[in-house]
Amino acid sequence: DGGITQSPKYLFRKEGQNVTLSCEQNLNHDAMYWYRQDPGQGLRLIYYSQIVNDFQKGDIAEGYSVSREKKESFPLTVTSAQKNPTAFYLCASSFGGLADTYEQYFGPGTRLTVT
Amino acid sequence: GESVGLHLPTLSVQEGDNSIINCAYSNSASDYFIWYKQESGKGPQFIIDIRSNMDKRQGQRVTVLLNKTVKHLSLQIAATQPGDSAVYFCAENIKDWSNDYKLSFGAGTTVTVRA
Repeated sequence: DGGITQSPKYLFRKEGQNVTLSCEQNLNHDAMYWYRQDPGQGLRLIYYSQIVNDFQKGDIAEGYSVSREKKESFPLTVTSAQKNPTAFYLCASSFGGLADTYEQYFGPGTRLTVT
Repeated sequence: GESVGLHLPTLSVQEGDNSIINCAYSNSASDYFIWYKQESGKGPQFIIDIRSNMDKRQGQRVTVLLNKTVKHLSLQIAATQPGDSAVYFCAENIKDWSNDYKLSFGAGTTVTVRA
């Protein structure tokens, strides 16, 4: 089956630790995205990547880092510099490059709790 | 700033009735809009999209209407069912400073279907 997978579904970490969230897609999409969702709020863009080995900061990139070494994979690291890391993290992907408009397909999400 | 927003955060609907979910946007240059459905603890799921050269688009039990004059988007769900209970987001495709297209999401409307 084609789709986007995120792992793990639930993640618990102690404050001060870095943590990496996995996102893999087998849809052959060029673009991938990371969003953060807080209770009762919409999605806010953290980072996005239109092609391999290139990525751009979104609206709330501080305290996060990403890499895009393979087309299928776009891991997100939540660093200890992120002041309020507890949230629901969503990965998405879409066709298209820099000037295209296509729907984004979302993964099931990872709920990160930092104590 | 430019953003996508929803008129009402919650909507309670009797099973079998039609639902109308509204969304206002402020970026007159936006040319692509999407409605997503998000069930509790899951990633958003694509419902329907519409481009700015259209006023109306229909899917299975859903219709999206776009009024560019007043920058208003709506999602109509016919014969609402219990499985339609979810949070509904509208998203607007915008071009950022680097000429990349990104989706900007509203805060969402929580739809509850009464039996």
